[in-house]
Amino acid sequence: SAVISQKPSRDICQRGTSLTIQCQVDSQVTMMFWYRQQPGQSLTLIATANQGSEATYESGFVIDKFPISRPNLTFSTLTVSNMSPEDSSIYLCAQTGDYGYTFGSGTRLTVV
Amino acid sequence: ILNVEQSPQSLHVQEGDSTNFTCSFPSSNFYALHWYRWETAKSPEALFVMTLNGDEKKKGRISATLNTKEGYSYLYIKGSQPEDSATYLCAIRAWGSQGNLIFGKGTKLSVKP
Repeated sequence: SAVISQKPSRDICQRGTSLTIQCQVDSQVTMMFWYRQQPGQSLTLIATANQGSEATYESGFVIDKFPISRPNLTFSTLTVSNMSPEDSSIYLCAQTGDYGYTFGSGTRLTVV
Repeated sequence: ILNVEQSPQSLHVQEGDSTNFTCSFPSSNFYALHWYRWETAKSPEALFVMTLNGDEKKKGRISATLNTKEGYSYLYIKGSQPEDSATYLCAIRAWGSQGNLIFGKGTKLSVKP
């Protein structure tokens, strides 16, 4: 199955700033998923990113806040824009395979 | 909106104990159920993908069952070891989805030596 490298692994950011999270896959994948887990909550899908088309956002998530880039079949970025403390979460990218999802190692974001 | 419920929220057992957790989900629109193990500072790791009613899967000391008609799955760990300490996530894929999963909040297992 694919291996996904995700960075940064953690960051502490000031409110009002933006952070870009990168995921690099060691093979070509059609769809990539971006999730977040707020403290005490379940992993929640932010958006689905297909190469060559705009990402599809879930209810409650908008492109201006979470712009996604998918320039090719092995790379994707998620930007968390104009951050507030409510954005403090673990962010994960993932791709689907025959035996379940393969996840990146996660980005633990704290907004102060 | 699909809602996936997991219980208990957390569990503390002694090394050698056997344990089990529950995942409940709406039985309509069901396509597949996934179990993952998520250790701190690591990626969630896929344990099982199950689709058929009555399915049973096993991986070492861990096994899972699926009842799609009543909407639940059990995950069993036989003879728990400290290295089993992790959060166990259940997730559902619905018919017609793009492949995205809906996750429960997880069961956090701590195994004391």
